Amino acid sequence: EAQVTQNPRYLITVTGKKLTVTCSQNMNHEYMSWYRQDPGLGLRQIYYSMNVEVTDKGDVPEGYKVSRKEKRNFPLILESPSPNQTSLYFCASSRYIAGVGELFFGEGSRLTVL
Amino acid sequence: SQQGEEDPQALSIQEGENATMNCSYKTSINNLQWYRQNSGRGLVHLILIRSNEREKHSGRLRVTLDTSKKSSSLLITASRAADTASYFCATDLITQGGSEKLVFGKGMKLTVNP
Repeated sequence: EAQVTQNPRYLITVTGKKLTVTCSQNMNHEYMSWYRQDPGLGLRQIYYSMNVEVTDKGDVPEGYKVSRKEKRNFPLILESPSPNQTSLYFCASSRYIAGVGELFFGEGSRLTVL
Repeated sequence: SQQGEEDPQALSIQEGENATMNCSYKTSINNLQWYRQNSGRGLVHLILIRSNEREKHSGRLRVTLDTSKKSSSLLITASRAADTASYFCATDLITQGGSEKLVFGKGMKLTVNP
């Protein structure tokens, strides 16, 4: 089954404690992206990647890091989480190199930073 | 400012009625997509309409695109309780740098009452 898998689905952490949200897709997609969703603000892009070892900033990259060492994986790293990073995070992938065609989304990771 | 804006922001109808949601955008686009999000879940792609298309159908969904008015509508016919969800439009626009970018609206909530 074609899918994008995120882990963990739910996480409560404390300010400053580094965490990683993993994302894996099994569709051999070139393009992967991370979004955060906040009430009243919609979906905002954090980082995206058009290929292995190629990543670029989205609209709200501050406080986040990503890596793309393999095609299928695109982890999101919060080196020193802060309460304003409390949000619902989505990973997405697309077979279109610019990510402007159909996006496949993971089920989301709800993060709370205390 | 937001590229795509859904209207209305919330809609409540009875099962069996039709639901119409509108999306307006500001700049020229290559295509426009509609996504559905069940509460707290990942977004699911519904339909993509290209800038040279005026109307597209998929099952009970009908999407129109009017590039002269920079607007699109999503019609769900014979709605069901299972259609209760948030709906997002996403526009593929060309940035000042010449690259393509997919931008999501803030979404609108549809409630279908049994």
